[in-house]
Amino acid sequence: NAGVTQTPKFRILKIGQSMTLQCTQDMNHNYMYWYRQDPGMGLKLIYYSVGAGITDKGEVPNGYNVSRSTTEDFPLRLELAAPSQTSVYFCASRKGQMNSYNSPLHFGNGTRLTVT
Amino acid sequence: SQKIEQNSEALNIQEGKTATLTCNYTNYSPAYLQWYRQDPGRGPVFLLLIRENEKEKRKERLKVTFDTTLKQSLFHITASQPADSATYLCALPDTGRRALTFGSGTRLQVQP
Repeated sequence: NAGVTQTPKFRILKIGQSMTLQCTQDMNHNYMYWYRQDPGMGLKLIYYSVGAGITDKGEVPNGYNVSRSTTEDFPLRLELAAPSQTSVYFCASRKGQMNSYNSPLHFGNGTRLTVT
Repeated sequence: SQKIEQNSEALNIQEGKTATLTCNYTNYSPAYLQWYRQDPGRGPVFLLLIRENEKEKRKERLKVTFDTTLKQSLFHITASQPADSATYLCALPDTGRRALTFGSGTRLQVQP
């Protein structure tokens, strides 16, 4: 299994540009997450999904959108990039079945985004 | 809202010693707590989970304690090695138990 795969690894955007961060997992996990990590800060939850067709906002959703059309893919969309969105973005997944609410998260290796 | 605190200062120790990292939380009564390791440029990797009814959990050289009265978890690495150098994050489930809230992590540096 490849686990959780994120693309691209790095990206530089100009203010106002748009982009999609890709995330795919091959573990048949139904829960998927997007976090951002700023230097010296913890991971902040942006959006999450408990299954295909279902998404929910996390702690810091403003400026982002997500979709979950398949179990495997959970792309994160930035519509109008702002300098405040400069960060490292991590996608994660986990099992979300009955009695597995405490299953661990499996993370990708992140996308480092700079908005200038 | 729930708050998780980890020592933001790096912990420097000598090889062979025991490293102890602290995770404190407030405004919350979690059913479990998880610890992750993060290396530079990589995503966090799960290490251990401890439930509220467990006082202690061990895995090889790792030991985690969970004191729900003090609202604190301690993470120990015994016989530390330079390869243990990394940032260690604690995480608790949010109130809906659907996502995890992470502390900011403590960087451990093990000197040879």
